[in-house]
Amino acid sequence: KAGVTQTPRYLIKTRGQQVTLSCSPISGHRSVSWYQQTPGQGLQFLFEYFSETQRNKGNFPGRFSGRQFSNSRSEMNVSTLELGDSALYLCASSLAPQGGYTDTQYFGPGTRLTVL
Amino acid sequence: AQTVTQSQPEMSVQEAETVTLSCTYDTSENNYYLFWYKQPPSRQMILVIRQEAYKQQNATENRFSVNFQKAAKSFSLKISDSQLGDTAMYFCAFETDTGNQFYFGTGTSLTVIP
Repeated sequence: KAGVTQTPRYLIKTRGQQVTLSCSPISGHRSVSWYQQTPGQGLQFLFEYFSETQRNKGNFPGRFSGRQFSNSRSEMNVSTLELGDSALYLCASSLAPQGGYTDTQYFGPGTRLTVL
Repeated sequence: AQTVTQSQPEMSVQEAETVTLSCTYDTSENNYYLFWYKQPPSRQMILVIRQEAYKQQNATENRFSVNFQKAAKSFSLKISDSQLGDTAMYFCAFETDTGNQFYFGTGTSLTVIP
């Protein structure tokens, strides 16, 4: 099976712009989670989607949003970019058996976002 | 609240030796899952090992094993016969069996010295 894929891999934007990142989960996986990774903060949970519904959300401002499509692919959007949004954005998918807990997560390679 | 603490930001070990990475967590839940993930430099995060809290037996995957102490809420990772390819950031993570969110520690950067 193909692993989790994320596009683009690298992105450079300027302050005030918006950006959309894409994640394709492993085939058959229904849960997709997003994380922001920075050197000092580790992995910070953004949100989790299952069956096109956001089930859980971390402590990020409303500028960070996401969605999931019927084929389980997910996108996250960051509007009005700030310098502090520069980070590696990781997507992870899991089977979520029985529609419940997410179980083991499998990570994509990440999108490296640089905000100038 | 669920928290995961990795108190060792950096560690090093000589090639072929054994190293133990520490992780503690805090939860009021009784059923949960614990994970160790490895993130090599500029490479993808991969699962190293997984432990179900209801299992008393410690999980083992080849050179990787855990010491799970449920009462102490401790979940350490032991790497035996360390190899250069083990150089990576290691993250401890936790999830309840009713939740849909992983809680990660801040990571331990491990360097294997030739």
